[in-house]
Order: sequence, then structure tokens, then C-alpha cells
Amino acid sequence: ILNVEQSPQSLHVQEGDSTNFTCSFPSSNFYALHWYRWETAKSPEALFVMTLNGDEKKKGRISATLNTKEGYSYLYIKGSQPEDSATYLCALNFGNEKLTFGTGTRLTIIP
Amino acid sequence: DARVTQTPRDKVTEMGQEVTMRCQPILGHNTVFWYRQTMMQGLELLAYFRNRAPLDDSGMPKDRFSAEMPDATLATLKIQPSEPRDSAVYFCASALTERQPQHFGDGTRLSIL
Repeated sequence: ILNVEQSPQSLHVQEGDSTNFTCSFPSSNFYALHWYRWETAKSPEALFVMTLNGDEKKKGRISATLNTKEGYSYLYIKGSQPEDSATYLCALNFGNEKLTFGTGTRLTIIP
Repeated sequence: DARVTQTPRDKVTEMGQEVTMRCQPILGHNTVFWYRQTMMQGLELLAYFRNRAPLDDSGMPKDRFSAEMPDATLATLKIQPSEPRDSAVYFCASALTERQPQHFGDGTRLSIL
């Protein structure tokens, strides 16, 4: 069984503060790592796909890093805003198109 | 922006009825996925296709669920007969390759009474 673990499960952050959370995975059989943002009552929205050890991606105030050798990825949000409130899902391809999803980190930004 | 289109957006029907959900993937995407959102398991993969061929439907109850791609612009998910435990949001997603992001439709919210 290939487990994708995310921590913390939930997080409350004051507006304006920066935050980060983690996705951990077995480093063998790695193919690609995806980050999605999933707002309540909407559909998941792709943020990043990363494939190479040391990859760093950035989209506005959100960025992500990847360490395939030790099996983790960090997602960072700088200067949190209320619209950042969502569940952030990490998912991995282990050699084919199927994604194995983590259970997500539920982020709530407190105004 | 190209989008995955799902219909219907909402469906309420009685137990035992047939339900058909439709998905139009993004033009040119050769991989199509059906997911179900559940409270316990988050996003559960039901089935997926590559170039219209079914590759994996192990997540789908075979006795009542079926998934097909009659052509490259249409994927369908059918439930017959439907049961109350099938009530959920069903998402379709499409992708260009496994190293490209999956693009999700808005989902079909299904309620079986």
C-alpha cells in the first residue's frame, strides 16, 4: 500500500500570517507529485505538479518544494488571506495516471 | 479557458431508478477519471480511461455501476439500480498525461431518496 500522508490535518491561521504544511510519501516508485486546492462546495483546482528532486514552484503567494530522496513536499502560503481558506490536497502518481491522494490539510484563515 | 463539463449539476431521484452522469473532457486530454467525494475517504477513484480504453475500474461496485467513453468527447457513469448509499458528489477529471494536472468538472451532486 502506497500511503500519502499530510500534516497537520487542520490549521487555523491569522490573516496576514504565513504558514506551511507537509506531504509525506514513500520515496521509492515516485513519479510526480500534485498539489490541489479544494474550496468547500467547489471542485479541486490544480496548483502545482512537480517531478524532480529539488523542484520549487510558485504561484502568487503560494509556493511548493519537493524532496524525493527523503519523501516530502512542503506547501507555503505567504501573507494568508481569507480566500486561502480551503483544503489542500497532495496526490502522487506512482508510475501510472492514477493519483493516490492524501487526506488533505484543512486551512482556515481567521480575519 | 478550457473546462471539463459535467451534467447534470444536481440529480435527485428515487431508489431503484437508473442514473446517468455525463462528462465532456477538455479537448485533447486523453485521460479521463471518475471520482466520488465521500466523507470518510475524501476523493475515491471509481474508474479511469486512457484514449477511451478503460484501464482501471476496481474502485467501482461492478454490480450496479458502469463507466464508458462512447467517443473522445463524452464519458458516462451509470448507476442501475441506484441506492441511497450512492448519494454523493461525483467528479469527472481529465488530464493530458500523468505528469500534467488533472482538471476537474464542477461535479454532479446525486441524492437517492
